[in-house]
Parts: sequence; structure tokens; C-alpha cells
Amino acid sequence: AQSVAQPEDQVNVAEGNPLTVKCTYSVSGNPYLFWYVQYPNRGLQFLLKYITGDNLVKGSYGFEAEFNKSQTSFHLKKPSALVSDSALYFCADTGGGNKLTFGTGTQLKVEL
Amino acid sequence: NAGVTQTPKFRVLKTGQSMTLLCAQDMNHEYMYWYRQDPGMGLRLIHYSVGEGTTAKGEVPDGYNVSRLKKQNFLLGLESAAPSQTSVYFCASSYSEDGSYEQYFGPGTRLTVT
Repeated sequence: AQSVAQPEDQVNVAEGNPLTVKCTYSVSGNPYLFWYVQYPNRGLQFLLKYITGDNLVKGSYGFEAEFNKSQTSFHLKKPSALVSDSALYFCADTGGGNKLTFGTGTQLKVEL
Repeated sequence: NAGVTQTPKFRVLKTGQSMTLLCAQDMNHEYMYWYRQDPGMGLRLIHYSVGEGTTAKGEVPDGYNVSRLKKQNFLLGLESAAPSQTSVYFCASSYSEDGSYEQYFGPGTRLTVT
């Protein structure tokens, strides 16, 4: 069965600094990895996904993620954080199937 | 396109009452899902459907039933609500054009059971 781990409950970063939100996945099937963002009282919005190909995936709002097979990681990154990036971020994996397994989420707080 | 919509947005139930949550999608997606979101636990799959007339159990199906009579609608029922079912419920739909089953989410229903 798929499992996804987000080791940090919260990440704090100053506006303008680079940000990283960590995610690791279990090695079971083919990883089809996703990042979603959730703003307060809203549904989840798709940011980016990795299926195959380039290990660096670019997504919405300037976010990108790097797939690292040897470390079984799929960390979310942004070169320069904005206060408006403050939200709850979820990593997820389908393992090539039709169901998503979610991590527990990481709360990102970007401060002035 | 409205995408994925959910009705109602908020609801308060007393223990033992029943209710149905409605999810509708206008993207002609085959797959639909119901999740619940609880603090510190991420999203957990309750039931899902791979097509009209089909349903299957997810990770936490107990106390819930679903139906998919029409392709665009996926209903989640609580027959006898319990306080443990206080949660935020999300519906999603997906397709598989590239094999990824990327999911599109509704805005959520906040349910409180007293």
C-alpha cells in the first residue's frame, strides 16, 4: 500500500526567502506524485504532479518540486516565498492506481 | 464550467439523525471520491466510484453509504450520525488521460454532530 510522509507539521519562512516543504513516499508501484494546496475554508487546489520524465517539475504560482528516486522524496520548493503562499500543503501519491494517498499536511507560514 | 460542487456547505446534526451530502461534477469524469479531513490526519478516503452504478470502500467506510446513479453525481449518506463523524467532507473527481488520475476537489462540507 502507498504511504506518504510529510515530516514537518509546520514550516516558517520569511518573505523573499526560499522555501522547501518536504515529502517522502513509499516504494510500492510506480510513484505518481502530487502536491496540493489548501487555503483556509477552501478545497484542495492542484499545484503540480510527477508522472515520468524530468525530475524537476514546474507548477502553479512559481512552485516546483524535485523527484529524487534514490531518496524517495518529492520536496516542494519556491525560490522566493510570498505571504500569500501561507496555506496547508499536501503531498499525495497514487502509485499508478486510481486512488490518492495523502500525507498529513504541512502548514506553511510566510512572515514579513 | 462549475467544476466540482458540494451541497450543503455547512450542516449541524444531532446524534442519530441522517443526512445526504451531494457532489456534482460537470467535467464528465469517470471517477469520483469522498474524503473526510480531520486535523493532523490529512484526507482519508471514505468511498469511491470508478463509474456510474459502481461504488467501492475506501480507508474509512464505516457509518457511511454512497450511491452513483448518475455519472455526474456522487451521494454520501450518513444513516445515523455520531459525534465521531464531525469533520470536513470533500468530494473529488478524476480522469485518466495520462494515467495519473489527477483529482479535482469541491469546496467542502463542514459537518458538526452534537
